[in-house]
Amino acid sequence: EVQVLESGGGLLQRGGSLRLSCAASGFTFSNCAMSWVRQAPGKGLEWVSTVSAGGGSTFYAVSVMGRFTISRDNSKGMVYLQMNSLTAEDTATYYCAKGTGSGSYPYQFDYWGQGTLVTVSS
Amino acid sequence: EIVLTQSPGTLSLSPGERATLSCRASQSIPSSYLAWYQQIPGQAPRLLISGASRRATGIPDRFSGTGSGTDFTLTISRLEPEDFAVYFCHQYGSSPPWTFGQGTKVEI
Repeated sequence: EVQVLESGGGLLQRGGSLRLSCAASGFTFSNCAMSWVRQAPGKGLEWVSTVSAGGGSTFYAVSVMGRFTISRDNSKGMVYLQMNSLTAEDTATYYCAKGTGSGSYPYQFDYWGQGTLVTVSS
Repeated sequence: EIVLTQSPGTLSLSPGERATLSCRASQSIPSSYLAWYQQIPGQAPRLLISGASRRATGIPDRFSGTGSGTDFTLTISRLEPEDFAVYFCHQYGSSPPWTFGQGTKVEI
């Protein structure tokens, strides 16, 4: 059974940093691109970042480029999102999502975690 | 960046009725790399359709997707009570950024 579980969310002040973690299991982790997608309260979905299956390629939305860093540890089945210089606009539920792509691009997201809430106070 | 515009914003229907949701792209989506997701309040999104028309594993056949190029449609042939939710389209066919539509809420 595929499982995706995020952790690390919380309440913090503007300008702070936070590291989200995602534990994935039940599939060949090293064969799948992994992504973070966020959803601000009451809003739609926004793709944030993707790391390729091997970890050598990373992609970011313009809104987070230079502030967020995605990484993965294939030996542990883990994906991370380091978030720096946070603002109120980063307040959202952050979902970790498994892509069906086996290379750099994720393609569609077939499994999602339940999300972790990040709240940035101004 | 490919912008996806969904319509209508809200669809008010009754169980047993047919729902037709639209997703229009600002430019042609390569290889019909268009997906649909269902999100029930308080839950994570669930993949329904990929490749514009391919149902994901375990998705009932009352859900169907059509379209190509810039115009795509999700149809729910007969609404069940559990289908009342928000639906998002998503394009993954070009280089990043990969984008989502703003969502269509299907309500009773």
